[in-house]
Amino acid sequence: GAVVSQHPSRVICKSGTSVKIECRSLDFQATTMFWYRQFPKQSLMLMATSNEGSKATYEQGVEKDKFLINHASLTLSTLTVTSAHPEDSSFYICSAPGQNPEKLFFGSGTQLSVL
Amino acid sequence: DAKTTQPPSMDCAEGRAANLPCNHSTISGNEYVYWYRQIHSQGPQYIIHGLKNNETNEMASLIITEDRKSSTLILPHATLRDTAVYYCIVRSGNEKLTFGTGTRLTIIP
Repeated sequence: GAVVSQHPSRVICKSGTSVKIECRSLDFQATTMFWYRQFPKQSLMLMATSNEGSKATYEQGVEKDKFLINHASLTLSTLTVTSAHPEDSSFYICSAPGQNPEKLFFGSGTQLSVL
Repeated sequence: DAKTTQPPSMDCAEGRAANLPCNHSTISGNEYVYWYRQIHSQGPQYIIHGLKNNETNEMASLIITEDRKSSTLILPHATLRDTAVYYCIVRSGNEKLTFGTGTRLTIIP
């Protein structure tokens, strides 16, 4: 099946710094990627839809200036958490539709801890 | 997306079949039923999906009722590695996936 690679798997940063998370589709092209956030013992919440070559679409309540998304190529989308605060600590997961758009494949996730 | 209802948790003995139910009474005609699972601290894993007919693959079987208002995911011979949260999701086309709370399945040795 299609592989979505996410990096880093874990990051610890100081409050006020920015953190970039990468999501790559390894053996297929993805014009669209989805970014989710998951707090402990909760379900995945969609944050935004990343569109190659155009602006991302953010879900209601998600600050676009805080969570910067760039989808510069057909295989790479990045999420940058700017001026991170402890409440941004969460598990961030990306996904992309495979060659069969009916299937969505997920990265392994990034655990962000802001001190 | 139509909402789904799943039991919050289930136990199943190792080696037995695990049957996970899902209600999606407001599903529309062009919406598929998807099942994903999430093992602790990992990204969700695709299991199976279907529209009207029952489906089977190497991981599981999906049984959809004739009126499509409910479905059951069957793991035929559960192993300890099947312990995970299982999400039933309805989705049309290539829309975004909206996750509910899922069923926490625990396989008992």
